[in-house]
Amino acid sequence: DTEVTQTPKHLVMGMTNKKSLKCEQHMGHRAMYWYKQKAKKPPELMFVYSYEKLSINESVPSRFSPECPNSSLLNLHLHALQPEDSALYLCASSQGGADTQYFGPGTRLTVL
Amino acid sequence: AQKVTQAQTEISVVEKEDVTLDCVYETRDTTYYLFWYKQPPSGELVFLIRRNSFDEQNEISGRYSWNFQKSTSSFNFTITASQVVDSAVYFCALSGGVSGGYQKVTFGTGTKLQVIP
Repeated sequence: DTEVTQTPKHLVMGMTNKKSLKCEQHMGHRAMYWYKQKAKKPPELMFVYSYEKLSINESVPSRFSPECPNSSLLNLHLHALQPEDSALYLCASSQGGADTQYFGPGTRLTVL
Repeated sequence: AQKVTQAQTEISVVEKEDVTLDCVYETRDTTYYLFWYKQPPSGELVFLIRRNSFDEQNEISGRYSWNFQKSTSSFNFTITASQVVDSAVYFCALSGGVSGGYQKVTFGTGTKLQVIP
């Protein structure tokens, strides 16, 4: 059973809105991840917080901003998004290092 | 560079048939890990199995079995007596060395399995 939760399940926002996606894990993991998945494509890594250190996929635009308040919580702040940012956003967690990543149910984001 | 190839884009089978999903990988790492994930229409990626590069034993879990062959760089997944609930997209994935405290996972493009009742 997954112990990674994500809210909201669905989000519709306009290009001028500011919103946040939330992720919480209850497995005591020390690494958390944000992935973006477009339809019929594999997930693409956006950000990683591992032992509170942030690693960034350099291709991710600055309108996406991650935040990790503590080792159990991960937020993704969204601002001035574009319609092409519409996708499934998946959160994952792991112990870090070579450990398996466990995914949450995802947030389906639509940008109008 | 790492690469995972899932040549089968979509497969349709009739319920109770056996089906094998193919996965071929490329890596220069001597230590690496292979995974299979299931993604039903709901969207959640469900972890199925992880193998490390030093363990070539095949594994069976209920109706699921995995065949890992380093000689051919393949990690195939077989579902025996398929059921409608097996309908999903299945991703094969590969991870290698640790950098920055985590392993970057390379996903294949996925195989969509449709089980017809």
